[in-house]
Order: sequence, then structure tokens, then C-alpha cells
Amino acid sequence: EAGVAQSPRYKIIEKRQSVAFWCNPISGHATLYWYQQILGQGPKLLIQFQNNGVVDDSQLPKDRFSAERLKGVDSTLKIQPAKLEDSAVYLCASSSHSSYNSPLHFGNGTRLTVT
Amino acid sequence: SQQGEEDPQALSIQEGENATMNCSYKTSINNLQWYRQNSGRGLVHLILIRSNEREKHSGRLRVTLDTSKKSSSLLITASRAADTASYFCATDRNNAGNMLTFGGGTRLMVKP
Repeated sequence: EAGVAQSPRYKIIEKRQSVAFWCNPISGHATLYWYQQILGQGPKLLIQFQNNGVVDDSQLPKDRFSAERLKGVDSTLKIQPAKLEDSAVYLCASSSHSSYNSPLHFGNGTRLTVT
Repeated sequence: SQQGEEDPQALSIQEGENATMNCSYKTSINNLQWYRQNSGRGLVHLILIRSNEREKHSGRLRVTLDTSKKSSSLLITASRAADTASYFCATDRNNAGNMLTFGGGTRLMVKP
């Protein structure tokens, strides 16, 4: 099966600019996650979708971050305006359902550098 | 705060040796999972152990879980240079669906 696709692979922007990341999960996977991974740390969950509804977005900085999953398939994560501390790798993952015991499948991420 | 914390943060061994990584967590869980991340790539699922299991094997991997101590260990036997990667434990909080919280990881280097 095809894996989780993410684009772009790298992005460099200046602070206060906006940026968007795209994710296409594994076909048929109902649950989609966005994680932020700062260099040297483990991934931190930003938002979890079940189909096109939000399950949890408690750690999403909603003043600058937004995410959507129209039609319950692809998803977009946006940052506007970006800050220096947003420099990180943004990982998208999907799983076949939202119940526990379902492993996550990750994309290779988008590395964001904010200057 | 992160639910799981790995120990050690970094580990360097020779090819052929065994590598042991530990994970501690804070709250009750349904299961604990281990993932591997090669440099510049996404995480890859290695193994899942349920809260009612004590030990699980997969190839050269052995995972143990002690829910009374809220800890788990990952043992990689007969390590290879290709095992060089970061290893993360992830836990799902009870009644929180499949919302995983990752630890800070152990960076393993296997020297040929």
C-alpha cells in the first residue's frame, strides 16, 4: 500500500509569513494526526481528526495554527503568522481507526525553518 | 508534559551487542507502542504491547511492560549498523482513544 504522503519536504520562510503543509493519508484510514517535532525531541500531537471531525486539538496554538480535513481524506495544516519557535518538522500520520491498539503510519514530514 | 520518558537519551554500542532502552510513563494506559525514526524520516511502528501483556517478541526485538512500575523496556538483540536510529515509546491514555503521547526518545548508534 502507498504510504502517507506529505508536501513540501522542506520550507524556509521569514517570521510573520504564512505557510501551509499538505498531507494525504493511507487510503481508507479514517484517523489523521498532525504532530510537531522540534529537533532532539519526541513528536507532540497538535490535532487529531476522525474522518473530517476534530477529535482533539487541545495542543494546537489556535491563534496562529489552523488545520482542516475536508471530505475526510487530505488535510492541510497552516501557520499564520509564523514565529521563530515554529521551526520544526511537521509530521502527518494516519491510522485505520481511532480505537486504541491501532498503530500510526507516519509520513516523512515537512521540515520548516523560520528565519 | 510528555507521558513517556526514555532512558538513556543516547546509547552507543558495537555491532553484535544488545541494546536496551527504557521508558517510564505517568498515567494508566491501554497499550504502549515503540517506534523507530531514522534521520530525516518519519516514525515507523515496531511493536505494540497491551496493558494486560508482560512481554512480547518480534524478530530481534523484545518488549516488556510492568504496569505496576509504569515502565517498559525495548531490547534489540545482536544489533546491526542499520539499527542506528532514534527509538520512541508512545502511550495512549486510558479512555482517550488512539491519541498517542511520545517520549523524548533514545538515540542509538551501532558502530560497525
